[in-house]
Amino acid sequence: DVKVTQSSRYLVKRTGEKVFLECVQDMDHENMFWYRQDPGLGLRLIYFSYDVKMKEKGDIPEGYSVSREKKERFSLILESASTNQTSMYLCASSPGGRIPYGYTFGSGTRLTVV
Amino acid sequence: DQQVKQNSPSLSVQEGRISILNCDYTNSMFDYFLWYKKYPAEGPTFLISISSIKDKNEDGRFTVFLNKSAKHLSLHIVPSQPGDSAVYFCAAFSPNNAGNMLTFGGGTRLMVKP
Repeated sequence: DVKVTQSSRYLVKRTGEKVFLECVQDMDHENMFWYRQDPGLGLRLIYFSYDVKMKEKGDIPEGYSVSREKKERFSLILESASTNQTSMYLCASSPGGRIPYGYTFGSGTRLTVV
Repeated sequence: DQQVKQNSPSLSVQEGRISILNCDYTNSMFDYFLWYKKYPAEGPTFLISISSIKDKNEDGRFTVFLNKSAKHLSLHIVPSQPGDSAVYFCAAFSPNNAGNMLTFGGGTRLMVKP
């Protein structure tokens, strides 16, 4: 079974802090994604990556950056956390190519910015 | 501009009855559709999918119907069980994506009452 592991289930951070959310997958997937889930807004794509050191902006990249130094690890960085970044953050991975494989998601990180 | 829409944010159904969750899309290039189920504090998990060359796919209590002319798909759960209470997301894949990227709807919260 593909496993996508997010390092923290719950995080509480202060406004202005730099926050790192880590995601690791163990099935050699090329693609990795970061989403946030908010009530009424569904899953919104923040950033994604098709390969090591490669990143693309999603629908809502403002206030975030990402890092993918190794194939199995995709990090989401909140440069200066703000209260409107309080959300559930979901990491996902999928095989590469144009075959419509679904995503495998991690369990999510519930981030609260106070 | 949302290309995948789930117009009902919530649905309440009695145990044993049918649950019907709907999803509409606007991009005619979408050719593969998936449904994900999400419990609170967990990541979404894959439920069922359908290719655009089919109009129906069944897996146990879950059936997905696709009406390409109407750009509409639906998920039927029969019979509904309390354990089906979750948020359901539909997602669509376009072969024109530079990679393997899904577009998600906003989700529908299903509540199955005992």
